[in-house]
Amino acid sequence: SQKIEQNSEALNIQEGKTATLTCNYTNYSPAYLQWYRQDPGRGPVFLLLIRENEKEKRKERLKVTFDTTLKQSLFHITASQPADSATYLCALPPWGSSNTGKLIFGQGTTLQVKP
Amino acid sequence: DAGVIQSPRHEVTEMGQEVTLRCKPISGHNSLFWYRQTMMRGLELLIYFNNNVPIDDSGMPEDRFSAKMPNASFSTLKIQPSEPRDSAVYFCASSLYSGGLTDTQYFGPGTRLTVL
Repeated sequence: SQKIEQNSEALNIQEGKTATLTCNYTNYSPAYLQWYRQDPGRGPVFLLLIRENEKEKRKERLKVTFDTTLKQSLFHITASQPADSATYLCALPPWGSSNTGKLIFGQGTTLQVKP
Repeated sequence: DAGVIQSPRHEVTEMGQEVTLRCKPISGHNSLFWYRQTMMRGLELLIYFNNNVPIDDSGMPEDRFSAKMPNASFSTLKIQPSEPRDSAVYFCASSLYSGGLTDTQYFGPGTRLTVL
């Protein structure tokens, strides 16, 4: 069965540095992948979507890459700030369901940016 | 835009009681999703609707769980009878289905359920 793997250990970085989070998936090639941010006590909030034919997507200080050969997406936050501290979830459509809107979420990686 | 609205925000109940969680999706959205989030299992999809019709309920853990969507602006998730292992945060999300290739989901604030 398909799996989504995100680093379960929290990522601690210094303010101003670039944070890089990893999402690995197995057993199939999704048509797209999404990244969400979740703050404590709140629901996830959509950040970026990248399609299988796109290598890279940017939005302000955020950058996402999608390597379909490695079956991996990297999520970068440049010039990180304490306000970027949150849990980041990757999500992708389950096998055979790319056109349904259904998503499977990774466990998420918690980012802590220290001032 | 009010976003996805869920009620109640917190629910504490005793084992065996019936629990009903409510969701109002974003106006105009035609897909609705119910998720459960725990530390152990992360965010799990329970069921989703498209145009008020249940499409996939394979994530519903057992017959004690049921969900309805009587109209485009309201959905319920019911647990009867509730058990301590049902304790979790339950999220509702909605999206505008456009063929699935660009759909993004908008989540509500969640309902934190504690079953004693």
